[in-house]
Amino acid sequence: QKEVEQNSGPLSVPEGAIASLNCTYSDRGSQSFFWYRQYSGKSPELIMSIYSNGDKEDGRFTAQLNKASQYVSLLIRDSQPSDSATYLCAVNHRGSSNTGKLIFGQGTTLQVKP
Amino acid sequence: GAVVSQHPSRVICKSGTSVKIECRSLDFQATTMFWYRQFPKKSLMLMATSNEGSKATYEQGVEKDKFLINHASLTLSTLTVTSAHPEDSSFYICSARDPLDSWSSGNTIYFGEGSWLTVV
Repeated sequence: QKEVEQNSGPLSVPEGAIASLNCTYSDRGSQSFFWYRQYSGKSPELIMSIYSNGDKEDGRFTAQLNKASQYVSLLIRDSQPSDSATYLCAVNHRGSSNTGKLIFGQGTTLQVKP
Repeated sequence: GAVVSQHPSRVICKSGTSVKIECRSLDFQATTMFWYRQFPKKSLMLMATSNEGSKATYEQGVEKDKFLINHASLTLSTLTVTSAHPEDSSFYICSARDPLDSWSSGNTIYFGEGSWLTVV
């Protein structure tokens, strides 16, 4: 079992729709969860971070965390073609909650069609 | 602006040669940096943890003699790919966290711009 799992997609949504991206993780000791967006050939950029159960909203993005289910998701409202990218879920590595060591999922490719 | 800078952004080298990639923290001192590699359409794979003043910690399956990591100062880590082969061609990315940032602030892990390595 991979430590961080995502559906590789592609996930295709029409412009203006809500895109829902999901991620599960195996280590119950994980404390920090991140969503990164990566355009082809570029370095990842942070979209959201979440540390507590529940929802966290930032503009069109909402991250949801359920530690009991070991599940974290990202919702993108009013999806735009510019949101088309690969979204990477990342979890802090066990035993290294303060160093920044992350384990990444395989990424979900999102396609927003005009 | 970027707080973690990588150099070079792109490099082409011949098989059998060595190539060095630098990762610098610009606005903070990083006792720990991380090196990832990414193949096309794949995720970031953690290669090693670079520790200032001590040996790097390599992930399982990563050859430490092939991927030499040096972290000689608090702002610089280098990754040297030795005796490069075409299968080493990849996107290499470093990251670091400002230890003075609060974890709860969220945006505390900074990634470099990445370095494309092509071995011909």
